[in-house]
Amino acid sequence: QKEVEQDPGPLSVPEGAIVSLNCTYSNSAFQYFMWYRQYSRKGPELLMYTYSSGNKEDGRFTAQVDKSSKYISLFIRDSQPSDSATYLCAMSPASKIIFGSGTRLSIRP
Amino acid sequence: DSGVTQTPKHLITATGQRVTLRCSPRSGDLSVYWYQQSLDQGLQFLIQYYNGEERAKGNILERFSAQQFPDLHSELNLSSLELGDSALYFCASSATGDVNTEAFFGQGTRLTVV
Repeated sequence: QKEVEQDPGPLSVPEGAIVSLNCTYSNSAFQYFMWYRQYSRKGPELLMYTYSSGNKEDGRFTAQVDKSSKYISLFIRDSQPSDSATYLCAMSPASKIIFGSGTRLSIRP
Repeated sequence: DSGVTQTPKHLITATGQRVTLRCSPRSGDLSVYWYQQSLDQGLQFLIQYYNGEERAKGNILERFSAQQFPDLHSELNLSSLELGDSALYFCASSATGDVNTEAFFGQGTRLTVV
């Protein structure tokens, strides 16, 4: 079993929809949780960063961490075609970062 | 543009060969990370260097090695290449040695082993 599980998709939604992306994990030592966005033929870029449980909002993006359920989510409001990318969750127990396999998201105009 | 430069962008080589991938970190960043991204394994952490010293090791094969030079650029050496080594190799850099500091990724080197 992988330490971090992420549905690879692809996920296709119409423009303007709310998108929900999720990851589950097994290691209770994880304290730092991140979401990266990766456009085709590019390197990943950090989108959101949270420490421990709770919510964090940044514009149209909200990251949610539920440590009791070992479940993290990224919500994208008012989705745009420019949000079409692969989204990778990542988490760290402090010594190294472990990435999920990524969810491919497509926003239909 | 993240400020991290990787060369070459593409590399095609034969099995059994050795290649060197190069990474120049963002100006002022002391840490360099190497990652391998393949379709079946996702993004895998290989190794981290901080200010010239090895800081953390991930799933790096013994056939692979890396180093960080005094000018802070880094090289990843892959030897005795196998078909399964075909992947995207990313370098990332960050300001500190803490893995939870924001890291900036280069555009990657696509390695194809034939």
